[in-house]
Amino acid sequence: NAGVTQTPKFQVLKTGQSMTLQCAQDMNHEYMSWYRQDPGMGLRLIHYSVGAGITDQGEVPNGYNVSRSTTEDFPLRLLSAAPSQTSVYFCASSYRGYGYTFGSGTRLTVV
Amino acid sequence: AQTVTQSQPEMSVQEAETVTLSCTYDTSESDYYLFWYKQPPSRQMILVIRQEAYKQQNATENRFSVNFQKAAKSFSLKISDSQLGDAAMYFCAYRRGQFYFGTGTSLTVIP
Repeated sequence: NAGVTQTPKFQVLKTGQSMTLQCAQDMNHEYMSWYRQDPGMGLRLIHYSVGAGITDQGEVPNGYNVSRSTTEDFPLRLLSAAPSQTSVYFCASSYRGYGYTFGSGTRLTVV
Repeated sequence: AQTVTQSQPEMSVQEAETVTLSCTYDTSESDYYLFWYKQPPSRQMILVIRQEAYKQQNATENRFSVNFQKAAKSFSLKISDSQLGDAAMYFCAYRRGQFYFGTGTSLTVIP
């Protein structure tokens, strides 16, 4: 099925641990982004990419790294998890000028 | 940075009635895109409607329509014949390159 696949759906981390959230799309979209969603704050952009090999920071990039080695994949790495990173994370992709297709989200809890 | 404002954190509507959700945005650009997204309790983000700023005609998708007032930088969503399945969080978004999201309006549908 065409779309954006995000894994895992749920994750619990201990403070200081690292992990990678996976995101893959099969629609040949050039534009991919990672957002975090916190209550009352809507969606905040962490990092985005306009094509393979190109990434840039969004509104809240601290504590996160990304890479885009292929058009399809855009993993998000948490370097050293902190309780402030407890959130729901969404990956999304799109063509220029069109709406996002979102993944189903990852609920991350850092204890 | 662009800003998107949704001034109604919560709204309610009787089943079969009509409700309008408000959205304003700030931009100095003339060419951009506007979107409404729906997020039901399942957490999945679903594109509801898309509007191209250079088109004066308001977009419509079945029971969903927008009132796009470019000069006023206003982009409201009208839901007609509201159904129980319309209950969700609704996000307004602006796009020129990057996406910018509002903080959302939680819609309750009363049977």
